Amino acid sequence: NAGVTQTPKFQVLKTGQSMTLQCAQDMNHNSMYWYRQDPGMGLRLIYYSASEGTTDKGEVPNGYNVSRLNKREFSLRLESAAPSQTSVYFCASSDLGIDEQYFGPGTRLTVT
Amino acid sequence: EDQVTQSPEALRLQEGESSSLNCSYTVSGLRGLFWYRQDPGKGPEFLFTLYSAGEEKEKERLKATLTKKESFLHITAPKPEDSATYLCAVTGANSKLTFGKGITLSVRP
Repeated sequence: NAGVTQTPKFQVLKTGQSMTLQCAQDMNHNSMYWYRQDPGMGLRLIYYSASEGTTDKGEVPNGYNVSRLNKREFSLRLESAAPSQTSVYFCASSDLGIDEQYFGPGTRLTVT
Repeated sequence: EDQVTQSPEALRLQEGESSSLNCSYTVSGLRGLFWYRQDPGKGPEFLFTLYSAGEEKEKERLKATLTKKESFLHITAPKPEDSATYLCAVTGANSKLTFGKGITLSVRP
């Protein structure tokens, strides 16, 4: 039982490049989330998917897109990376929206 | 807008020196208050969920309590392995999790 997995662990991009962060969970959870964590800012919600087939914006969605590929997988895409998107990105999942969330190990992204 | 404030920002304790971490919150229709532990370079690890004022939960040296305005994470006789950042978060009527900035705990042997 791996829980929540994320790939890649580290990534360096140049301004304007695109990339997709992958997330998968094996707990049969309905809801999945993408957060970013910056020093002094805490965890902020980028997008979430309450159930398969639905996605909604969180607190900081600009510059990102998401895809809920199936019940297990939820990807985050940066179409044109900017230095302001340098951060650590965490994927999480929960059975229902009000339940505790389980987090992946994170992706450390640097945009130069 | 839901808000979570954690204090102090950092706490240094001697091994065995008990203390408490504070989480103050404002939320529209509290549905749950959560405590997480985060080690450097890792994702947050779930510790507790509290649902209503007066509720308490314990796990090893940790005990979480909840009132209508705040939650405390009490650490009894801490050990160096308890060193981590402790995050508090709330879910309200919008079912979205709002996090505080965390408290970095260091326990010296």
